Amino acid sequence: NAGVTQTPKFRILKIGQSMTLQCTQDMNHNYMYWYRQDPGMGLKLIYYSVGAGITDKGEVPNGYNVSRSTTEDFPLRLELAAPSQTSVYFCASNPDSDISPQHFGDGTRLSIL
Amino acid sequence: DAKTTQPNSMESNEEEPVHLPCNHSTISGTDYIHWYRQLPSQGPEYVIHGLTSNVNNRMASLAIAEDRKSSTLILHRATLRDAAVYYCILRAGRAGNMLTFGGGTRLMVKP
Repeated sequence: NAGVTQTPKFRILKIGQSMTLQCTQDMNHNYMYWYRQDPGMGLKLIYYSVGAGITDKGEVPNGYNVSRSTTEDFPLRLELAAPSQTSVYFCASNPDSDISPQHFGDGTRLSIL
Repeated sequence: DAKTTQPNSMESNEEEPVHLPCNHSTISGTDYIHWYRQLPSQGPEYVIHGLTSNVNNRMASLAIAEDRKSSTLILHRATLRDAAVYYCILRAGRAGNMLTFGGGTRLMVKP
């Protein structure tokens, strides 16, 4: 199993550009999450999904959008990139159990210049 | 959400045991105690979790105080590969619950 796969690994954007961070998992997990991690800080939840067609906001959703059309994929969209969105983005998933461990991808390092 | 308090950093010598403390005095009866670690330039990795009883797995042991207001992650023999940031997280047992990451403890392992 590949687990949680994130693409791209690195990206540099100009202010105002848009892009989609891709996340896919092959473990048939219903729950998926997007986090961001600023330098020297812990992770903060952006959006999460408890199943295909269902998404909800986390702690820091402003400036981002998500969709969940399939169980496997949970893309994160930045519409108008801003320097404050420079961060490392992690996608995670876990099975239906409420307290089951989350599996994380390797992250996407994004710089907005 | 109940919060946790961890030391910012700790040092250990290679091949010695490491005890990483976590205080969670406002824990509720349904909160599970989870530990994750994050190696440099990687995503977080699940280590262990428990509710009331002490827990052991191939990576570590989790000792939970009788009143559940504190816990300790035990690495029995630290290796250089165990150098990471360790996060203690309380997780409510309900659908879609998120992980709330604090600052964690940066563990440095000396050869």
